[in-house]
Amino acid sequence: DAGVIQSPRHEVTEMGQEVTLRCKPISGHNSLFWYRQTMMRGLELLIYFNNNVPIDDSGMPEDRFSAKMPNASFSTLKIQPSEPRDSAVYFCASSFGQGGNQPQHFGDGTRLSIL
Amino acid sequence: QKEVEQDPGPLSVPEGAIVSLNCTYSNSAFQYFMWYRQYSRKGPELLMYTYSSGNKEDGRFTAQVDKSSKYISLFIRDSQPSDSATYLCAMMKATGANNLFFGTGTRLTVIP
Repeated sequence: DAGVIQSPRHEVTEMGQEVTLRCKPISGHNSLFWYRQTMMRGLELLIYFNNNVPIDDSGMPEDRFSAKMPNASFSTLKIQPSEPRDSAVYFCASSFGQGGNQPQHFGDGTRLSIL
Repeated sequence: QKEVEQDPGPLSVPEGAIVSLNCTYSNSAFQYFMWYRQYSRKGPELLMYTYSSGNKEDGRFTAQVDKSSKYISLFIRDSQPSDSATYLCAMMKATGANNLFFGTGTRLTVIP
């Protein structure tokens, strides 16, 4: 079975540019999560969706960040305008249902570098 | 104070050694406890999953949860070079939001 698929794997762009990260969750999973990982702060939850509806976006750092889930098989995380401090690895994860007995499965991430 | 604390290491052990990785936490609402393994340039991979207190064994891996001490452990027996990775503990509350709270990860190197 295909796991969580993220694209692109690497993104290098100049500050001020718009960045769009993409995620395809595991088929049948109805919860989707976006995380950011840095050396200093580890893995941080940015936002999560259940049944395509944003449930908790309290981790989104600023209004420059936005996320959408137009259907059950696709989500985007957008940064506009991007800044050097946004450089990190961004992970998408999905799970079936809500609740602690539904472990999350991660994609391999997008490594973002803002120059 | 972070809700989940984990020693970042790095930790280096010889092949065949027993490895002990640990996390402490402060929120007694956590009921589900997980260990993820993350290889370089890859996403975290679920390794072990336990509910509430107790032990769980899977091959060379044993996860322990002591809720009274707010302390969880992962033991790796007969460690192999392929176990070299970063190990992240994670935990979740029983109700409410589906958020995972992660430790910062411990980098492990098993030397052949």
